[in-house]
Amino acid sequence: EVQLVVSGGGLVQPGGSLRLSCAVSGFKFSDYYMSWVRQTPGRGLEWVANIKYDGSEKNYGDSVKGRFTISRDNAKNAVGLQMNSLRAEDTAVYFCAREGLSWGYYMDVWGKGTTVTVSS
Amino acid sequence: EVVMTQSPATLSVSPGERVALTCRASQSVRTNLAWYHQKPGQAPRLLIYGASTRATGIPARFSGSGSGTEFTLTISSLQSEDFAVYYCQQYDNWPTFGPGTKVDI
Repeated sequence: EVQLVVSGGGLVQPGGSLRLSCAVSGFKFSDYYMSWVRQTPGRGLEWVANIKYDGSEKNYGDSVKGRFTISRDNAKNAVGLQMNSLRAEDTAVYFCAREGLSWGYYMDVWGKGTTVTVSS
Repeated sequence: EVVMTQSPATLSVSPGERVALTCRASQSVRTNLAWYHQKPGQAPRLLIYGASTRATGIPARFSGSGSGTEFTLTISSLQSEDFAVYYCQQYDNWPTFGPGTKVDI
C-alpha cells in the first residue's frame, strides 16, 4: 500500500523555523518527483515546491523562494521541507504528494496534511 | 502565473444525476490539466490527468475533456461518495489550482 506520512507541523512564531518530514512506503521512492502543497481557507491549494527523483533539481513557488528548502533522502525514503523566516501567511495545512510518472507536475498520491500555524 | 477559475462555485445535486464541472485557464495549458476531489478532513485525490486520463482506481463514471483553456469534468451518475469539493490544476507551467467547486446534496 502506498503511504505518505507527514510529521513536524505545529505552532511557530513569525520569523521562526520549522521542518516538515514525509516518510513514504509502498513504492520505489527513487523513481518519483515529490511535491509539497499547502492549503488555506482563503488561498485554497498552493503548490510549494518539488524535487526531482535524484534530488538534482528543486523548484519553488514564488511565495516561498529563498525561505523554504526541499530535500530528500532516497536511502530513508523521506522528503523534507525546511521552512525559515516564517510569516503569518505561511499558516496552512501542508501536504506531501507524489508526482505522477507521466510528463508534468501533477500529484497522484497525497499524504494526510499537517497543520503549520505561524503566530505570536 | 496561470490563473485557474472554476464554475459553478457550488452545485447542489441529487444522487444519480449527471454533473458537469467547468474549469478555465487564463492562457492555454494544452492538455496539461488534472482534476482532484477532496472530502472534509482528507487530502485531495487525483481523478484525472492529461485532461482526460483516469487515474488508477477511478471509476468510469468520471470523465474529463477539453484542451487549451476550457475543460470539463463529467460525473455520469453521481454517487453518495462523490459529494466533495472538486479542484482543477494546470501543470503546463508551474502548478496552479482552481478555487474549487463544491458538489453537495
